[in-house]
Amino acid sequence: DAKTTQPTSMDCAEGRAANLPCNHSTISGNEYVYWYRQIHSQGPQYIIHGLKNNETNEMASLIITEDRKSSTLILPHATLRDTAVYYCIVRGRAAGNKLTFGGGTRVLVKP
Amino acid sequence: GAVVSQHPSWVICKSGTSVKIECRSLDFQATTMFWYRQFPKQSLMLMATSNEGSKATYEQGVEKDKFLINHASLTLSTLTVTSAHPEDSSFYICSATRENEKLFFGSGTQLSVL
Repeated sequence: DAKTTQPTSMDCAEGRAANLPCNHSTISGNEYVYWYRQIHSQGPQYIIHGLKNNETNEMASLIITEDRKSSTLILPHATLRDTAVYYCIVRGRAAGNKLTFGGGTRVLVKP
Repeated sequence: GAVVSQHPSWVICKSGTSVKIECRSLDFQATTMFWYRQFPKQSLMLMATSNEGSKATYEQGVEKDKFLINHASLTLSTLTVTSAHPEDSSFYICSATRENEKLFFGSGTQLSVL
């Protein structure tokens, strides 16, 4: 699986949008970009994923650049409960394909 | 979304004993299950991949005789930490998926070996 690069940490203000960048310059054509988050002492929670088109769901939006070498996860209105470690991962869709976690971005939402 | 149940949530055991952790997919049949380990302030590390009815595939550096994985059905996988020692103390997390689907994670098991 392609490696990803994310900032180690970032702060954002409650109620504002949080934009989390991710670089995945070695992504291959059949690999998707997945975003998960992990709140302390819990299992990772799925947020969103995409291949090349931008995606939006009730939790977040995912913007993927045209060359697919980077993406941005957008939390439109951050709340204190969004404080977590956010992981950007690239993976093929087959069930046997691993989900390999990097260091992630530690996001702290401040009042 | 799909639910993955992991049990127990936490366990304390004496050094030398064995501990079994269960992972169940409650509302779907999981083609593949994965087991991860996470040490404090670190990311998740994949330990092994298991498919129903076949032997698990272990990542490099993970002892298969120490971490026994059984994937007896499409809804149940177990991880047994044999002869546990204090250095095995960690947060263990399972995940499950079916073909062309995202991974769903359990809530994790905190293992403390005294």
